[in-house]
Amino acid sequence: GEDVEQSLFLSVREGDSSVINCTYTDSSSTYLYWYKQEPGAGLQLLTYIFSNMDMKQDQRLTVLLNKKDKHLSLRIADTQTGDSAIYFCAERRIIYNQGGKLIFGQGTELSVKP
Amino acid sequence: GAVVSQHPSRVICKSGTSVKIECRSLDFQATTMFWYRQFPKQSLMLMATSNEGSKATYEQGVEKDKFLINHASLTLSTLTVTSAHPEDSSFYICSARDFDVPGTGYQETQYFGPGTRLLVL
Repeated sequence: GEDVEQSLFLSVREGDSSVINCTYTDSSSTYLYWYKQEPGAGLQLLTYIFSNMDMKQDQRLTVLLNKKDKHLSLRIADTQTGDSAIYFCAERRIIYNQGGKLIFGQGTELSVKP
Repeated sequence: GAVVSQHPSRVICKSGTSVKIECRSLDFQATTMFWYRQFPKQSLMLMATSNEGSKATYEQGVEKDKFLINHASLTLSTLTVTSAHPEDSSFYICSARDFDVPGTGYQETQYFGPGTRLLVL
């Protein structure tokens, strides 16, 4: 298919690790992104990974990329209540004659319980 | 980091009126900006790609005469919802594309504005 897919909900306890998964479709996508959206707000870029990387770590965030399975994950260590939000993965897809566009997943709503 | 602003943050208008939403890249120049629409609890739907100095490219199913886009400068794109109707009520988000060359190489990133909540009565 042409969709980027994510599970819709994830609930964790404060202090645990959260893992949000995403599958994408275009094997030629060069960049994959994770964005965070809090209620009523725009999207905040959390991190990205280039397609020639398997892993990227940035403080509490770890991104893993499995190109063979077209699978992307975002791990949040020591999850806090302030991490409660919707997380979108996105792939940069090149469209003929239109350049690069972001294709978003449906978003995963992360709920962190104290 | 790169900052994108939108104005207004929310607007309520009567059916039949037109509403203009501004999107500005504050600390970088953006030849390309994007306009998205988001319904509650749903993902972002790309409406159009706005290119500085040329016509916007609209996605399939988006009426270009209804959603007018003007990208007159490298830091400003506007979306005008003409003759708005209640079904146009939504959350509109813009993004601006920035190109960066960090130590590891070329990087392209979209930075998003905070969104505009439109309610048409």
